[in-house]
Amino acid sequence: DIQMTQSPSSVSASVGDRVTISCRASQGISRRLGWYQQKPGKAPSVLIYDASILESGVPSRFSGSGSGTDFTLTISSLQPEDSATYYCQQINSFPLTFGGGTKVEIK
Amino acid sequence: QLQLQESGPGLVKPSETLSLTCTVSGGSFGGGDFHWGWIRQPPGKGLEWIGNVHYTGNTFYNPSFRSRVTISLDTSKKQFSLRLTSVTAPDTAIYYCARHRGYYPFDFWGQGTLITVSS
Repeated sequence: DIQMTQSPSSVSASVGDRVTISCRASQGISRRLGWYQQKPGKAPSVLIYDASILESGVPSRFSGSGSGTDFTLTISSLQPEDSATYYCQQINSFPLTFGGGTKVEIK
Repeated sequence: QLQLQESGPGLVKPSETLSLTCTVSGGSFGGGDFHWGWIRQPPGKGLEWIGNVHYTGNTFYNPSFRSRVTISLDTSKKQFSLRLTSVTAPDTAIYYCARHRGYYPFDFWGQGTLITVSS
């Protein structure tokens, strides 16, 4: 199985700050990685697919990068509505696996 | 707009079988290399993929569930189902149904249904 390790597990930042979340795969997954945002009481929603392609309707302050084993989700200017938990997921091979999540809080 | 809706019992007794159904509406169900999947989330914890059924009927399961899980498809009703046997307290979670296609992430999700395992 491919293990997905996210860091940090939580981050607290101010509005306007740049926030970076890392996701590492235990083996190479090309660019077959997605990022999700989950708000309390809601299902996750996809932000990014193919490691760096923004899903339609997602604000441009979100961006993704990486390939192989190391990936990054960046929020360029944190907004109050970005308070949520973020997950990465590899879609390269079965079993599909998620990272442990990163909780983003607003200071 | 594609919509998915889980339905199930809410409460299941230990050692019994959990059965959930996901009903798909508002979009295509077959073809397009669609996978229909189940993901769960224990209260306050992260996401865990349970398994997928491809529109052809092929299934893919998380080995963590060994032989306890079965996912099936009913294309005539635009539904797919999850069956998890011998449940215990750690199976208490919000269960989501969702769709993905090929190497893309799950792009449509149900609202989730809380399943509690308790006597």
